[in-house]
Amino acid sequence: SQTIHQWPATLVQPVGSPLSLECTVEGTSNPNLYWYRQAAGRGLQLLFYSIGIDQISSEVPQNLSASRPQDRQFILSSKKLLLSDSGFYLCAWSVMGRTGFGYTFGSGTRLTVV
Amino acid sequence: GQSLEQPSEVTAVEGAIVQMNCTYQTSGFYGLSWYQQHDGGAPTFLSYNALDGLEETGRFSSFLSRSDSYGYLLLQELQMKDSASYFCAVKVNTGFQKLVFGTGTRLLVSP
Repeated sequence: SQTIHQWPATLVQPVGSPLSLECTVEGTSNPNLYWYRQAAGRGLQLLFYSIGIDQISSEVPQNLSASRPQDRQFILSSKKLLLSDSGFYLCAWSVMGRTGFGYTFGSGTRLTVV
Repeated sequence: GQSLEQPSEVTAVEGAIVQMNCTYQTSGFYGLSWYQQHDGGAPTFLSYNALDGLEETGRFSSFLSRSDSYGYLLLQELQMKDSASYFCAVKVNTGFQKLVFGTGTRLLVSP
C-alpha cells in the first residue's frame, strides 16, 4: 500500500533561520507531489508541485523553494524564514490516471517562526 | 484564476442531516472533491464528482451541477466525530492537473 511520510511534526524556528522539510512516498512510482500551506483557520494554498525528478513548478512567489532529488522525495526549503512563513505545511501525492480519487496528504508540519 | 466560496460555519445536532455548499469559478474544470480535516490533522479525501449528479458513500453524499458551478456535501445521521472542517476543492488543468481548495466550512455537531 502507498504511504506518505512527512517530518518533523512540529518546528519552532527563529526569523532568519533556514528551513528544510522533507516528504517521502512509499509504494508508488512517479507520483505527482505537492506542497501546500495552511494558515490558521484558513484553506490550503498550493506552493509547489512536481511531476518528476528535478521538475518543480512554483505557484506563489515567495522566499520558499522546493526540490525533488529522487522520485519519491520532495523537500521544501528556505534560506531565511520570515514571520509570515508560519503555518501548517502539508505534502501530498497523486498518481496520473487516478482521476476518480483525490490527493493523499502527509500528517503535516506545524511551523512557528518566532 | 480560480475561486471557491463556502460558508464559514455550520452547526447541527447529532442524528440530523446537514448540507454544506460550495460555489466555484474556475477555468479548466475537471471535477469537485471534498476533504475532511479534524483540528490539528491532515485533510482526508471524502468524495469526487466529475459528472453532474449525486455520489453516495455511506452517510456521505456529494452533488455537482457543472452548469451552475455548484456542489454540496450532505452528511446524514450526524455523529459527534463529524465535527471538523470540510473543504471543497476543484480539480483544474491549467497545463497541469492540480487541486485548488476553498476556505472550508467548520461543522460543529452538538449532542
